[in-house]
Amino acid sequence: KQEVTQIPAALSVPEGENLVLNCSFTDSAIYNLQWFRQDPGKGLTSLLLIQSSQREQTSGRLNASLDKSSGRSTLYIAASQPGDSATYLCAVSCTGANSKLTFGKGITLSVRP
Amino acid sequence: DVKVTQSSRYLVKRTGEKVFLECVQDMDHENMFWYRQDPGLGLRLIYFSYDVKMKEKGDIPEGYSVSREKKERFSLILESASTNQTSMYLCASSFRVEWGHYGNQPQHFGDGTRLSIL
Repeated sequence: KQEVTQIPAALSVPEGENLVLNCSFTDSAIYNLQWFRQDPGKGLTSLLLIQSSQREQTSGRLNASLDKSSGRSTLYIAASQPGDSATYLCAVSCTGANSKLTFGKGITLSVRP
Repeated sequence: DVKVTQSSRYLVKRTGEKVFLECVQDMDHENMFWYRQDPGLGLRLIYFSYDVKMKEKGDIPEGYSVSREKKERFSLILESASTNQTSMYLCASSFRVEWGHYGNQPQHFGDGTRLSIL
């Protein structure tokens, strides 16, 4: 059974820092990996999707990498801002007939001004 | 922009009631999903649907049913609400590109319904 882990559960950094959020998964037979952002009391916003054949994806100050063989992904946020404060979740889609997303529990990021 | 709309942001119901949560998407997506989100447990899939009138159980379907009579609408039904169903419920939708690979397009989420069962 696929398990997705995100450690630590919470992170607090000063504004301007470059930071890396980690995600690990137990079964490397994935179809893709997605990173989401969730603001308090809101739904999830898709940030980046990496197909299993890709190594990384970039959007603005965000860069996500995927190492399928080691079961790891990282989300890199450059020059963090207070507006980046949110919970970041990663989710994997496994191959197979009934593919669905398995989510990590998220990392709650606080960027201090 | 994709819009996934959940009919209520907050809902309070009593134990034993039949509860309907509605979700509508405007992007002609084939796939629709219902999750619940609880502190310490994360997001868990309740049911999903890959076409009209089609449905499949997720990880925690007990106590729930779903209905997909039209492509744009996916309803979650709590047959007889219980206090352990108090939770944040999130609906999502996505395109289906290849049959069977429901996760190969980004899922778009609604803002959620915070349901309290008293």
